[in-house]
Amino acid sequence: GIQVEQSPPDLILQEGANSTLRCNFSDSVNNLQWFHQNPWGQLINLFYIPSGTKQNGRLSATTVATERYSLLYISSSQTTDSGVYFCAGGHGSSNTGKLIFGQGTTLQVKP
Amino acid sequence: DAGVIQSPRHEVTEMGQEVTLRCKPISGHNSLFWYRQTMMRGLELLIYFNNNVPIDDSGMPEDRFSAKMPNASFSTLKIQPSEPRDSAVYFCASTPYGARDTEAFFGQGTRLTVV
Repeated sequence: GIQVEQSPPDLILQEGANSTLRCNFSDSVNNLQWFHQNPWGQLINLFYIPSGTKQNGRLSATTVATERYSLLYISSSQTTDSGVYFCAGGHGSSNTGKLIFGQGTTLQVKP
Repeated sequence: DAGVIQSPRHEVTEMGQEVTLRCKPISGHNSLFWYRQTMMRGLELLIYFNNNVPIDDSGMPEDRFSAKMPNASFSTLKIQPSEPRDSAVYFCASTPYGARDTEAFFGQGTRLTVV
């Protein structure tokens, strides 16, 4: 199966700073999602982005499918952005929605 | 829609007991997934169903684990007998298989503690 590598594993920011999280895939993917796991353990959907660029408020994501990576940008970070960010992708002849997860980036935003 | 609904939210049980976790997918979604999250292994897929049929159970750790989907709106994950190493958070997710965008949505998870 595919391998998903996220970097950095840990990140500490001062409130208001910007950051970029990266996700590399060992093989091509036909679906790709970014999630935020909040301190209560909930997995919150951020982006469904198998290719291209999307923006939602202070967050945006870009996937370059041909080069097998995706980036998540967080601008003007807030303490509520703290938590673990996961990327996950799936591949194969049929797009079932099955996901392989990376190990996550743990973000701490300090006031 | 209420989203993916899992129950119970927390379960504490003694080693050797049977544990049943429940999931109701989003209405209209025809693919359902069970994932497990641990500190050591992260989030891993256990099994998934398409149209109520199990497609891939290669992630199920051993025969003590079984999953069923008797209809489009309900699935169970059963552990019998449970062991302390089964302690984890178990997530259920659903997607609209066959749709253009197969975005997965997750339930709030069941935190299982086996003592």
